[in-house]
Amino acid sequence: GIQVEQSPPDLILQEGANSTLRCNFSDSVNNLQWFHQNPWGQLINLFYIPSGTKQNGRLSATTVATERYSLLYISSSQTTDSGVYFCAAPGGSQGNLIFGKGTKLSVKP
Amino acid sequence: GAGVSQSPSNKVTEKGKDVELRCDPISGHTALYWYRQSLGQGLEFLIYFQGNSAPDKSGLPSDRFSAERTGGSVSTLTIQRTQQEDSAVYLCASSFYRTSGMSTDTQYFGPGTRLTVL
Repeated sequence: GIQVEQSPPDLILQEGANSTLRCNFSDSVNNLQWFHQNPWGQLINLFYIPSGTKQNGRLSATTVATERYSLLYISSSQTTDSGVYFCAAPGGSQGNLIFGKGTKLSVKP
Repeated sequence: GAGVSQSPSNKVTEKGKDVELRCDPISGHTALYWYRQSLGQGLEFLIYFQGNSAPDKSGLPSDRFSAERTGGSVSTLTIQRTQQEDSAVYLCASSFYRTSGMSTDTQYFGPGTRLTVL
């Protein structure tokens, strides 16, 4: 089945810095989602982005489906951005999402 | 509107006991998924329901796990004779529909149930 790999596994930023998180997937996908898992464990939807670029405030995402990767950009990071960022793509026979191992982001004041 | 809700938020049980975890999907969502997140294992898929259709149980980790969905809405995940390796956060997600093939609509996740088996 499809494999999803994320990098870097850990990232420490100073507040105000920008960052780019990467997600590679091993097969063609019709859907890709980015999530933020906050310190309380809640998975919050960030983007549904099978292709192209989307922006939401300080966050934006780009998926290049033909090259099997997606990027999540965080600009002017804030301490509230801390947590784990996951990307996921449908890879099971039942449309279930296959998750990467996540990028753990820590934003220091 | 209301998101996906799950109950209880935390459950501590003794090894060998049975537990029931509940998921209320977003109103109107026909697709419902159960996942679990455990240390060192990441997020893994357990079972999927589409409306009232019988689910494919092949993703469940053992025959101690079962799930049902009543009336195409609320779902219950039951773990019998719990073991310590069942300790994890159990997450439920719902989506409006699932199209054919590999395409899916956006999945929205509940807050999870943290299960601890002593």
